[in-house]
Amino acid sequence: GESVGLHLPTLSVQEGDNSIINCAYSNSASDYFIWYKQESGKGPQFIIDIRSNMDKRQGQRVTVLLNKTVKHLSLQIAATQPGDSAVYFCAEKVQGGSEKLVFGKGTKLTVNP
Amino acid sequence: DTEVTQTPKHLVMGMTNKKSLKCEQHMGHRAMYWYKQKAKKPPELMFVYSYEKLSINESVPSRFSPECPNSSLLNLHLHALQPEDSALYLCASSQAFGKNIQYFGAGTRLSVL
Repeated sequence: GESVGLHLPTLSVQEGDNSIINCAYSNSASDYFIWYKQESGKGPQFIIDIRSNMDKRQGQRVTVLLNKTVKHLSLQIAATQPGDSAVYFCAEKVQGGSEKLVFGKGTKLTVNP
Repeated sequence: DTEVTQTPKHLVMGMTNKKSLKCEQHMGHRAMYWYKQKAKKPPELMFVYSYEKLSINESVPSRFSPECPNSSLLNLHLHALQPEDSALYLCASSQAFGKNIQYFGAGTRLSVL
């Protein structure tokens, strides 16, 4: 399915700024969400995940926010670095569904020095 | 260690060739996945193996034949492919199917001539 999507296909930020990458989903039965980072020529790398019983989860320099009311997910990256330049995908899993992850379209983040 | 190893990194094959992609993990994960990723698109699920049994086949053409010889290995046998099958093929593994964080390999870049 294509229930997971992204508001902006590209995002350009200055080094040191905070980045916010957004993701909309349409399936209210989704109970698990995950963010991946994919650098050029590499496979997706796990960043952070969140379950639907949570609103916020923090990692190292990253925070994921989940707003179930409007079916919106965001990834915040603090003090963005050139090494953060990549394509970021959100993915969801539907509770009671096939247990597979459905990936969104992706946002390309470019960090300018 | 969250490493999933895929070989080869690059593969060029003709439409009449037979080739195989290989994937290996030593994390004790019991679920393994094959994804196909076209340029600037998200990964698309092809197959899921759970405890060495095929759990999901996302209506993949029979010219793609998966095999799971044991819990650490996953193969994808290719035969009579078409040029439109050219893509990045990603392998992933997780603790169990539906046990959420999937760890990806770097992928095999396949070109079909």
